[in-house]
Amino acid sequence: NAGVTQTPKFRVLKTGQSMTLLCAQDMNHEYMYWYRQDPGMGLRLIHYSVGEGTTAKGEVPDGYNVSRLKKQNFLLGLESAAPSQTSVYFCASRSHKGTGWGPDEKLFFGSGTQLSVL
Amino acid sequence: QKEVEQDPGPLSVPEGAIVSLNCTYSNSAFQYFMWYRQYSRKGPELLMYTYSSGNKEDGRFTAQVDKSSKYISLFIRDSQPSDSATYLCAMSFTGGGNKLTFGTGTQLKVEL
Repeated sequence: NAGVTQTPKFRVLKTGQSMTLLCAQDMNHEYMYWYRQDPGMGLRLIHYSVGEGTTAKGEVPDGYNVSRLKKQNFLLGLESAAPSQTSVYFCASRSHKGTGWGPDEKLFFGSGTQLSVL
Repeated sequence: QKEVEQDPGPLSVPEGAIVSLNCTYSNSAFQYFMWYRQYSRKGPELLMYTYSSGNKEDGRFTAQVDKSSKYISLFIRDSQPSDSATYLCAMSFTGGGNKLTFGTGTQLKVEL
């Protein structure tokens, strides 16, 4: 059982370049999330999706776009990368059984993508 | 002011020590409280979950929530080198947009 898989694991971009980060989950989860993690800032939500074909903005959405064409995949795009987007990016998924966060509705995280923008 | 505050550490303790990790928060609506553990170069994993106020114990780990003080704690007894990791508190509430608000994480090192 692979869980949540992120590709690539590492990437170096030049300012202005574009790229797409791929997240795939094999747990049939409805909800998927993209976070970035920076020193002293913790995990900050970029975008999330509550089901196939849906997306919503999180805390820091500017400069990023997302798509959820298939339930198992959640793509994060950077159209014109900036040095401020240097970060570690984590994808997560979650099953959903009702309102709130039940004790078995934890986030399953991928192992992250280290992105450097020069 | 951040919604959730957490001392980033680093915190270094000897093996066998009792560790106390804490978070404070400002949003009184939070009712679901979690601790995630993150090893170096890995994604976070859920360690403890608590609903509303009270204590929960799981082996060497105890989570406490004091909603009146807006304060949550994670205690680790008989700490081991394998406990060395970053610990992130996280919280949410019904109607919170299906989002978790994370603390910045406390880096813990347990030394032999």
